[in-house]
Amino acid sequence: NAGVTQTPKFRVLKTGQSMTLLCAQDMNHEYMYWYRQDPGMGLRLIHYSVGEGTTAKGEVPDGYNVSRLKKQNFLLGLESAAPSQTSVYFCASSRPGSIINEQFFGPGTRLTVL
Amino acid sequence: DAKTTQPNSMESNEEEPVHLPCNHSTISGTDYIHWYRQLPSQGPEYVIHGLTSNVNNRMASLAIAEDRKSSTLILHRATLRDAAVYYCIPVPGRGGADGLTFGKGTHLIIQP
Repeated sequence: NAGVTQTPKFRVLKTGQSMTLLCAQDMNHEYMYWYRQDPGMGLRLIHYSVGEGTTAKGEVPDGYNVSRLKKQNFLLGLESAAPSQTSVYFCASSRPGSIINEQFFGPGTRLTVL
Repeated sequence: DAKTTQPNSMESNEEEPVHLPCNHSTISGTDYIHWYRQLPSQGPEYVIHGLTSNVNNRMASLAIAEDRKSSTLILHRATLRDAAVYYCIPVPGRGGADGLTFGKGTHLIIQP
């Protein structure tokens, strides 16, 4: 099992450009999450999904959109990138009904917006 | 959400035990205490969790104070591969899609 994978690993954008980050998991998990991590900080939740076709806002959703068209994939979109969105983005997944709620994280996407 | 307080950094020698403290005085009675760690340039990974009793697994031990206002993650014999940022996170025990609330964690440095 590959676990959680993220594409791309690195990206540089100019202000105003758009892009989509792809997260894929092969563990058949219902729940998926997108976080961002700024230098020296902990991760903050952007959006999450409890199942195919459903999404919800997290702590810092502004400037991002998400879609969950397939259970195994969770896409994060930036419509008009800003320098404040320079960060490392992590995707995670977990299965419902588990008290442990262990989240499995991907390796991250390092995004720089110039 | 319950707030946590952890030392910014700690240093230890290889093959010695490490005790990583966390204060969570406002934790809810039904919140579990989870620990994650983040190795350099990687995503976080789950380490251990507990509610009231002390817990052991292959990675670490978790000691929880009787009043649940603090806990300590114990690495019994630290190796260089244990150098990471360790996060203590209260998590509601309801099995829902709760995002994890990460603080700044403790940066553990292991000296050879």
